[in-house]
Amino acid sequence: GAVVSQHPSWVICKSGTSVKIECRSLDFQATTMFWYRQFPKQSLMLMATSNEGSKATYEQGVEKDKFLINHASLTLSTLTVTSAHPEDSSFYICSAPPTGNTEAFFGQGTRLTVV
Amino acid sequence: AQSVTQPDIHITVSEGASLELRCNYSYGATPYLFWYVQSPGQGLQLLLKYFSGDTLVQGIKGFEAEFKRSQSSFNLRKPSVHWSDAAEYFCAVGAGGGGFKTIFGAGTRLFVKA
Repeated sequence: GAVVSQHPSWVICKSGTSVKIECRSLDFQATTMFWYRQFPKQSLMLMATSNEGSKATYEQGVEKDKFLINHASLTLSTLTVTSAHPEDSSFYICSAPPTGNTEAFFGQGTRLTVV
Repeated sequence: AQSVTQPDIHITVSEGASLELRCNYSYGATPYLFWYVQSPGQGLQLLLKYFSGDTLVQGIKGFEAEFKRSQSSFNLRKPSVHWSDAAEYFCAVGAGGGGFKTIFGAGTRLFVKA
């Protein structure tokens, strides 16, 4: 099956700093990738749709200036949490659908802790 | 708008007993439906999916789910639960163009009693 890899798996950062999370499709190309956030004991909520070569589409209530998304190639999307605060601590997970496929595959997620 | 409802926040079953986790969806077109399992601190594992065809879908780890269009339901079942099945279970619908934008239910936490 298709493999989606996220890096890092976990990260701890100081409040006010920025953190970049990578989402890679290892064996397929993806013109679109999706970013989700999961707070403790809650469900996964779609944050944004990452589009290769164009601007990301953000869901209502998600600050685009805080969560910067870049989809510079057909195999890589990055999510940068800028000026992170403790309330940004969460589990971030991406997904990507291979071209012509009928489902999206999920990465293993990134646990972000802001101290 | 698309949505997924999992009415049970948590369920406790005895090991060896049968299990049914409920899921109802709201979607205008033919849905792509999924069940995922998540162990604490881990990512998602796909249990099974329904796109079309036979409404009874077999998945991994002995799970199955039945799509009932008339009831807008996609309930997950397992005839005999093992202690290792304790986890969080998410029902999801694929929305948007191509069905790749996944809308998740709130999840059901499964506890297994010895």
